Amino acid sequence: GQQVMQIPQYQHVQEGEDFTTYCNSSTTLSNIQWYKQRPGGHPVFLIQLVKSGEVKKQKRLTFQFGEAKKNSSLHITATQTTDVGTYFCASPGGGYSTLTFGKGTMLLVSP
Amino acid sequence: DGGITQSPKYLFRKEGQNVTLSCEQNLNHDAMYWYRQDPGQGLRLIYYSQIVNDFQKGDIAEGYSVSREKKESFPLTVTSAQKNPTAFYLCASRRQNSNQPQHFGDGTRLSIL
Repeated sequence: GQQVMQIPQYQHVQEGEDFTTYCNSSTTLSNIQWYKQRPGGHPVFLIQLVKSGEVKKQKRLTFQFGEAKKNSSLHITATQTTDVGTYFCASPGGGYSTLTFGKGTMLLVSP
Repeated sequence: DGGITQSPKYLFRKEGQNVTLSCEQNLNHDAMYWYRQDPGQGLRLIYYSQIVNDFQKGDIAEGYSVSREKKESFPLTVTSAQKNPTAFYLCASRRQNSNQPQHFGDGTRLSIL
């Protein structure tokens, strides 16, 4: 299946600072999904990006899909302690039956 | 997510023992998935099923088996052949459409005694 590389693996910020995680692929992606997993919890779907150059916002979260559809980013403005968790990107595997997940970025926010 | 139930929440296995993890969904989803999650490894696909009585191996199927006798149920058996079974196991389901997201259960944490 397609490989998606996600960086950084881990980030620790002070509350109020911004945060960005990046997802990169060597091949063109048909779409990309983002999930959030709280500590001890399960992944929860956040959003899907389909179009080249697409930008979507959810309150303080901004999601981008690259023009070449090979990379994506999730940016959080002014982090809060409720943002703590691991953020995963995922893209369809061959035949669109499966998803290939990045290894995730763990975000820790200190008050 | 509401609609997907995994049990038990915690499970302990003795050496040489098979254990079965339950996953039930009432979302009327056709496709179901099993993932294994280890620290720093993300989610790795074990098995998936797109329709009743049919399933396919994922990336790390060795030492695992599944069945899909009912649309609602997709149990995973961790066999004694799986030498390193300690992990967090997640079940997911989705509608059978390429643009649909996956919905996850709360997971089962399996440990070796």
